[in-house]
Amino acid sequence: QVQLVQSGAEVKKPGASVKVSCKASGYTFTSYGISWVRQAPGQGLEWMGWISAYNGNTNYAQKLQGRVTMTTDTSTSTAYMELRSLRSDDTAVYYCARVGSYYDGYAFDIWGQGTMVTVSS
Amino acid sequence: EIVLTQSPATLSLSPGERATLSCRASQSVSSYLAWYQQKPGQAPRLLIYDASNRATGIPARFSGSGSGTDFTLTISSLEPEDFAVYYCQQRSNWPLYTFGQGTKLEIK
Repeated sequence: QVQLVQSGAEVKKPGASVKVSCKASGYTFTSYGISWVRQAPGQGLEWMGWISAYNGNTNYAQKLQGRVTMTTDTSTSTAYMELRSLRSDDTAVYYCARVGSYYDGYAFDIWGQGTMVTVSS
Repeated sequence: EIVLTQSPATLSLSPGERATLSCRASQSVSSYLAWYQQKPGQAPRLLIYDASNRATGIPARFSGSGSGTDFTLTISSLEPEDFAVYYCQQRSNWPLYTFGQGTKLEIK
C-alpha cells in the first residue's frame, strides 16, 4: 500500500542540526512532491516547505529560509529534511506528506507517522 | 502571506447534530482550499480538496463549499469518530501553503 515511513525520535541540543528521513513505498516516488509540516506540542500545523521528487526543486516557508534544507534520494525513494541551528521552539512533531497531483488539488493525501524532535540542553 | 482564520476555535456538539466549520482567507484563494482532520496522536487526514471535492474514502457526510475568501466544512450528522481537530489549508500560490489555526470539535 502507499505509505510514508519516517525515522525515529531525536533529542538534540540547542544549536545542533537534525535530519529526518521519510521513505516512500507503494507508488512512483518521482511522480509526486513531498511537503514537510511540523506541529509544536499542543499547537497547530505549520507548513515548512516542499520538494519535487522529480527534479529536486524546493520552496521553503519564509521563516525557515536559511535553516532548512530538503532533499531526496530517488534511488531509495527517500526524502530528507535537515533543520540547523536548532532552538527550543523547534521542538515539535515533524511530518512528511505526499503532495497529490493536479487532479487531487495538490493536497497532502498521504502522511508519514511523524517524528518527534526535542531540543533541550 | 495569506492568513487563514478558522472559527469557532472550539465547537461543542452532540452526535447526530450538524457541524458547520468556517475558514476565512485574508485574500482570495480561488477554490484552492483543503480540509484536514486530526485526531490525538495521529497524523492529519485529507478530507476535502479544491474546496468541495471529497478525498478518496471520505464519507458523504463531509462536504465542503465556498470560494474566494469564505469556506465552510459541513458534517451533516456527527458520528462519534468525527470529534477531532479540523484544519483548512490554502495553496493559491502553489507550491507555497498555509494552514489555519484549527477548530476543535468536541462532544457536548
